[in-house]
Amino acid sequence: NAGVTQTPKFRILKIGQSMTLQCTQDMNHNYMYWYRQDPGMGLKLIYYSVGAGITDKGEVPNGYNVSRSTTEDFPLRLELAAPSQTSVYFCASSDSNNEKLFFGSGTQLSVL
Amino acid sequence: KQEVTQIPAALSVPEGENLVLNCSFTDSAIYNLQWFRQDPGKGLTSLLLIQSSQREQTSGRLNASLDKSSGRSTLYIAASQPGDSATYLCAVRPMGTYKYIFGTGTRLKVLA
Repeated sequence: NAGVTQTPKFRILKIGQSMTLQCTQDMNHNYMYWYRQDPGMGLKLIYYSVGAGITDKGEVPNGYNVSRSTTEDFPLRLELAAPSQTSVYFCASSDSNNEKLFFGSGTQLSVL
Repeated sequence: KQEVTQIPAALSVPEGENLVLNCSFTDSAIYNLQWFRQDPGKGLTSLLLIQSSQREQTSGRLNASLDKSSGRSTLYIAASQPGDSATYLCAVRPMGTYKYIFGTGTRLKVLA
């Protein structure tokens, strides 16, 4: 089982560039989440989705966008990268019955 | 607003010692609480999930307890081993939401 797969693992962006962080899960989970983790800090929720076609903002959504066109995929879009978006990004998913959170291995993003 | 606190931020213990990690939350209206392990440069792995109606959960050498009225959870690790060295995070899901609010974690080092 692949679980939650994130790509890329590492990326360096210049200020003002845009990119999409990919997240795919093969467990047929209906809930999906995007978190960022800054050094020494806990995880902050960016966006989440409770099913295909449904997304909602978390604690720190500014500068990001998401879509959920299928159950499996939940990409995160950065439109105009800023140094403040330098962080490690984690995608997670869970099932409405079990609720145990499964995490991807993360994307380390640097904006210079 | 729900806030989750983990104290201490770091802990070193000799191998074989039993230890307790603490997690506090400000609002007792939670749906469940999860404990996670994070190894350096890796994603998070769910260790134990406690529903709001439960008092504790056990998995091997790990035991997690929940006291909603006092806003506290503890993770007990028996007979610690160097392989237990990692950061341990707790997260709560507030009632009426699908979000998880994370603590900043306790970095554990078990010395051989």
